[in-house]
Amino acid sequence: GQQVMQIPQYQHVQEGEDFTTYCNSSTTLSNIQWYKQRPGGHPVFLIQLVKSGEVKKQKRLTFQFGEAKKNSSLHITATQTTDVGTYFCAGSTSGTYKYIFGTGTRLKVLA
Amino acid sequence: NAGVTQTPKFRVLKTGQSMTLLCAQDMNHEYMYWYRQDPGMGLRLIHYSVGEGTTAKGEVPDGYNVSRLKKQNFLLGLESAAPSQTSVYFCASSPAHTGELFFGEGSRLTVL
Repeated sequence: GQQVMQIPQYQHVQEGEDFTTYCNSSTTLSNIQWYKQRPGGHPVFLIQLVKSGEVKKQKRLTFQFGEAKKNSSLHITATQTTDVGTYFCAGSTSGTYKYIFGTGTRLKVLA
Repeated sequence: NAGVTQTPKFRVLKTGQSMTLLCAQDMNHEYMYWYRQDPGMGLRLIHYSVGEGTTAKGEVPDGYNVSRLKKQNFLLGLESAAPSQTSVYFCASSPAHTGELFFGEGSRLTVL
């Protein structure tokens, strides 16, 4: 079945450093979404990518969807303490409505 | 506007007991989902529904049943709870045209 892996599992950075998490799917995706979950909270939608090679930016966050639509990345520039949390990717395949989540990357930002 | 509401928020069960988790959404969303979250394993899809009266299996459906008799409600049932079902359960809903998942606050279930 469809599998979605994320690396790294954990990342500790100093405030102001950059951070990147990578997402890889075993199957070609029709779209990919990214979510953020604060400690003790629920996942909150950040963005959706649909097109091959697509790049989207939200302030300090840059999201990319691979050319083959099997991988994606989230890059945060100059991390802040408010960026702390776990970042998940979630992908769906063509013709389905089920979203399979990656294993997540837990980000800690040291002030 | 409450969004996605899950009840109960906490529950402790003994092995073999049954229970039902209720998810209610007031956004008129077509799709609804049940996920479980365990440490180090992310969110795993249990069952989902693309409309009233329809359900489908996700990644880890065994030991769970679901029903969607009304568009706004999605019920997750455990017929005979096992310690392996100790987890945090999240319900989510989504409008058909965007795919964005809106999550409830979660239900923490402990099976002794």
